Amino acid sequence: AQSVTQLDSQVPVFEEAPVELRCNYSSSVSVYLFWYVQYPNQGLQLLLKYLSGSTLVKGINGFEAEFNKSQTSFHLRKPSVHISDTAEYFCAVIIQGAQKLVFGQGTRLTINP
Amino acid sequence: DVKVTQSSRYLVKRTGEKVFLECVQDMDHENMFWYRQDPGLGLRLIYFSYDVKMKEKGDIPEGYSVSREKKERFSLILESASTNQTSMYLCASSPELASSTDTQYFGPGTRLTVL
Repeated sequence: AQSVTQLDSQVPVFEEAPVELRCNYSSSVSVYLFWYVQYPNQGLQLLLKYLSGSTLVKGINGFEAEFNKSQTSFHLRKPSVHISDTAEYFCAVIIQGAQKLVFGQGTRLTINP
Repeated sequence: DVKVTQSSRYLVKRTGEKVFLECVQDMDHENMFWYRQDPGLGLRLIYFSYDVKMKEKGDIPEGYSVSREKKERFSLILESASTNQTSMYLCASSPELASSTDTQYFGPGTRLTVL
């Protein structure tokens, strides 16, 4: 069975600093990878997803993620964060051909002025 | 824009009550999902449905049931609520049958407290 580990439960950063949120997965078969964001008091929305092709995926709000098959990682990055990026971020994986997303534990990103 | 709505944002129930959580999507999506979200555990799938009257168990179905009588509506039922079912419940939908690549669209969530 596949699993997803988000290595940091909380990440505090200063405004305009770069940030990386880490995600590792385990699966013996090919997977698709997703990052979702949950702003305060809202549901989740898709930031970006990796299906195939270029390992660097660009998403909304200036975020990007890199798929690294050898390290089974899909880390999320942003070069300069804004107060409005304060949210919880979830990494998720799905086996190709399956319908069940498996989510990581979430990383709470807090931006300090 | 896809819209997924949930009947209540906050709900307080007593132990042993039967609880209905309703979810409606307006984009004719095939698949609908119910998750619960708990701190440190992320989202865990309770049930999903890929067609009217069809349902599949997720990872934590115990203590829950679901109903999908119409394509746009997916209900989560707690037959006899217990305190360990206090949680945030999120509904989601996705467009195509049996597609792994689809984005899931989420409702705002229902925060259920069982006393």
